[in-house]
Amino acid sequence: GNSVTQMEGPVTLSEEAFLTINCTYTATGYPSLFWYVQYPGEGLQLLLKATKADDKGSNKGFEATYRKETTSFHLEKGSVQVSDSAVYFCALSDQGSARQLTFGSGTQLTVLP
Amino acid sequence: DTAVSQTPKYLVTQMGNDKSIKCEQNLGHDTMYWYKQDSKKFLKIMFSYNNKELIINETVPNRFSPKSPDKAHLNLHINSLELGDSAVYFCASSQDTTGELFFGEGSRLTVL
Repeated sequence: GNSVTQMEGPVTLSEEAFLTINCTYTATGYPSLFWYVQYPGEGLQLLLKATKADDKGSNKGFEATYRKETTSFHLEKGSVQVSDSAVYFCALSDQGSARQLTFGSGTQLTVLP
Repeated sequence: DTAVSQTPKYLVTQMGNDKSIKCEQNLGHDTMYWYKQDSKKFLKIMFSYNNKELIINETVPNRFSPKSPDKAHLNLHINSLELGDSAVYFCASSQDTTGELFFGEGSRLTVL
């Protein structure tokens, strides 16, 4: 079956530090890959996505590249802000459909001023 | 206007009681979901409806019963509440082809 493995948190960084949150996956076929973000007290929202190998998703300064050879989709940001403090979820879908989303366990990020 | 709204936001109740959580979406989406998030933030899908028809029914106790009166509403009824039911329950919707879920703000259920 499909699975998503994320680096365990919590992750604590100082403002303007470089962020990487690792995500690897196991799937049959060619899944679409997603990063969702959950800010405190809110539901999840889509941060970025990539639908095929070598695609790069980007949004709000975050980036992730779909690497088929390493089955990875690591999330990066060059300079984090306090407002980026949230829980980040990596997810995959076999057919790009929200119905078949498989979520990782989430990584808590705290950015200190 | 809130896209996916669920009520109540907080629910505190005693073991053995029955409670309901309501969800409505005004995005015109065909598919709605219930997810459970535990204290470690782990997210688990419970149910999914497409145009009022149940399409995903994960291994969830029979005490949980979803109802979809129309494609804009998906309610969750829980019978005989147990301590382990304490969690945050999220409603979500999607227009299926994109992989993007739109979540409500969550309903925090505490069973005492």
